[in-house]
Amino acid sequence: KAGVTQTPRYLIKTRGQQVTLSCSPISGHRSVSWYQQTPGQGLQFLFEYFSETQRNKGNFPGRFSGRQFSNSRSEMNVSTLELGDSALYLCASRKLTGTSNTGELFFGEGSRLTVL
Amino acid sequence: DQQVKQNSPSLSVQEGRISILNCDYTNSMFDYFLWYKKYPAEGPTFLISISSIKDKNEDGRFTVFLNKSAKHLSLHIVPSQPGDSAVYFCAASDTGANSKLTFGKGITLSVRP
Repeated sequence: KAGVTQTPRYLIKTRGQQVTLSCSPISGHRSVSWYQQTPGQGLQFLFEYFSETQRNKGNFPGRFSGRQFSNSRSEMNVSTLELGDSALYLCASRKLTGTSNTGELFFGEGSRLTVL
Repeated sequence: DQQVKQNSPSLSVQEGRISILNCDYTNSMFDYFLWYKKYPAEGPTFLISISSIKDKNEDGRFTVFLNKSAKHLSLHIVPSQPGDSAVYFCAASDTGANSKLTFGKGITLSVRP
C-alpha cells in the first residue's frame, strides 16, 4: 500500500513569509504526527492529530500550527518564518486503536524548508 | 530537557563486527521503545521495538536490549554490513492515552568495508 506522502519535497522561502506543508497518511491510519529535524537536534515533536483533533503538542511557538481533515490528511503551517525554521519537516502516521496507544510511526520523506 | 539521550554522535565499525548503539532515558513513565534508521534524503524507517515487559527482542541481525533499572537500552547489529551505515534514532513512549514518541538526537553509524 502507498506510504506517507509529503508535499512539497523542497521549498525556499524568505523571512517573514508563511508556508504550508501537506501530508497524506497511509490508508487506514488516523493519526498524523509532525516532527522537525535539524542538524544536531534530532527529531523534535511538533504535534499529533487524531480524528481531526490535536491530540498532543510539543514545545514550539504558536507560529507553528496544524490541522487534520476528515480524510486524515494533514497540513502544518508556519507563519512569520525565521532563519532558524530551516529544517526537514517530517510527517508520520500510525494506526491507533482503542486498546493500544503505541504503534510504530511510518514516516514520509519529508519537506525540506530553507528560509533565506 | 532531553528525555531520550544518545550521547555518542557517531560510531565507526569494521564490516562483519558488532555495532552497539546506546540510548538512555530519564522518564520512568516510558514503557515502549523503538529504533529507527534513516538514510540521507529519506524519512526514518522502523527497525525494531521492545516493550518494558521484556529485556530483549531479536529480529535477524538486530537485537535490542532493555535495562529498566538503569534506564538504558542498546541496539546490537551483528554482523555489521556497509548497508547499515545510516543515522539511528532511539525513541520512547508511554502507553497512556496521549502518548507520543520522543526521539533522541541520533547516532551516525559508519560501517567500513
